[in-house]
Amino acid sequence: DGGITQSPKYLFRKEGQNVTLSCEQNLNHDAMYWYRQDPGQGLRLIYYSQIVNDFQKGDIAEGYSVSREKKESFPLTVTSAQKNPTAFYLCASSTGTSGGTIYNEQFFGPGTRLTVL
Amino acid sequence: QKEVEQNSGPLSVPEGAIASLNCTYSDRVSQSFFWYRQYSGKSPELIMSIYSNGDKEDGRFTAQLNKASQYVSLLIRDSQPSDSATYLCASKTGANNLFFGTGTRLTVIP
Repeated sequence: DGGITQSPKYLFRKEGQNVTLSCEQNLNHDAMYWYRQDPGQGLRLIYYSQIVNDFQKGDIAEGYSVSREKKESFPLTVTSAQKNPTAFYLCASSTGTSGGTIYNEQFFGPGTRLTVL
Repeated sequence: QKEVEQNSGPLSVPEGAIASLNCTYSDRVSQSFFWYRQYSGKSPELIMSIYSNGDKEDGRFTAQLNKASQYVSLLIRDSQPSDSATYLCASKTGANNLFFGTGTRLTVIP
């Protein structure tokens, strides 16, 4: 089955701790994205990557870091510098522009719900 | 300034009625528009994409785009209780990034 997987489904972080959220896709998509969703605020872009070994900051990158060493994987680390990390984290992927399309339909994984203890 | 705005709702319609969801966007160069459905506690699911002015129909769903008015809408015909969810509107401007509205919560009453 093709799709996007995220793990873990639930994650609890202690003060001062770094945690890493996993995102894997087997859709052969070039582009991958991380969003954060808070109640009443919609989705906000944290980081995105259009090709392997390259990524750009989104609107709320402070306190987060990413890597893109493989096409299939785009892990997100929530660092201790992120002061309010409790949120629903969503990973998405799309074909990007390499497929010659401008449409950029993004497909989401099931999400990770992060709570600070 | 918000890129995409939606009526926050909630919107309630009786089963079998037409639900109308609306969205406006601020960036005139936006190229593509998307509607996602999000059930409570779940991730967004893409249900419609539209790129050209006019209507696009897919089953019970119709997306409408008016670039001159910077307006996108989603109509759900013969609404079912299973359609009860939050609907997110998104626009694509430039690169590959999407801007999302805050969503409209729809409840279909049996």
